[in-house]
Amino acid sequence: DGGITQSPKYLFRKEGQNVTLSCEQNLNHDAMYWYRQDPGQGLRLIYYSQIVNDFQKGDIAEGYSVSREKKESFPLTVTSAQKNPTAFYLCASSIRGAGYSNQPQHFGDGTRLSIL
Amino acid sequence: DQQVKQNSPSLSVQEGRISILNCDYTNSMFDYFLWYKKYPAEGPTFLISISSIKDKNEDGRFTVFLNKSAKHLSLHIVPSQPGDSAVYFCAASLKTSYDKVIFGPGTSLSVIP
Repeated sequence: DGGITQSPKYLFRKEGQNVTLSCEQNLNHDAMYWYRQDPGQGLRLIYYSQIVNDFQKGDIAEGYSVSREKKESFPLTVTSAQKNPTAFYLCASSIRGAGYSNQPQHFGDGTRLSIL
Repeated sequence: DQQVKQNSPSLSVQEGRISILNCDYTNSMFDYFLWYKKYPAEGPTFLISISSIKDKNEDGRFTVFLNKSAKHLSLHIVPSQPGDSAVYFCAASLKTSYDKVIFGPGTSLSVIP
């Protein structure tokens, strides 16, 4: 049963700590994305990747880092430089660039990150 | 500055009636629009889309209308069912920036039995 798996579902971060959110997909999709959702706001793009070993910054990349060593995996690290990390994080994938081929994105169920 | 706006944070509709969710956008270069549905504690799921060369797209109980001159689109759900209660996100993409999809803030729909 194909899909996107995000883990953990809930995560707590201490001051000055880096944390990594996992995202794995078995849909054989080329493109993967990370979004952040805050109350009353839409999904804002953090990073995206079209192919392995390549990724681009989205609108709010500061304080975050990613890697794309494998097609199926796109982990997001929330660094200590991100001063307001409390949010709901969503990972998504699509067959190709989401706008180019008009293929909708498939989303995971999210990780809720909170500060201790 | 929000490029995709959903000015109604919430909407309540009786079961069996029509639900109309509205979305406005500011960038006339958007060429593709999508609606996603999200239940609590889950990720959004794709619902329906429309290209800018069309003004209507229908899929079962769901119809999306696009008015390019007004930079407005709407999602109609007929008849509304309790299982339709969710948050609905409007999204738009630019052909020239194919990787980026801009999402609106969402509208929470409650369908009352």
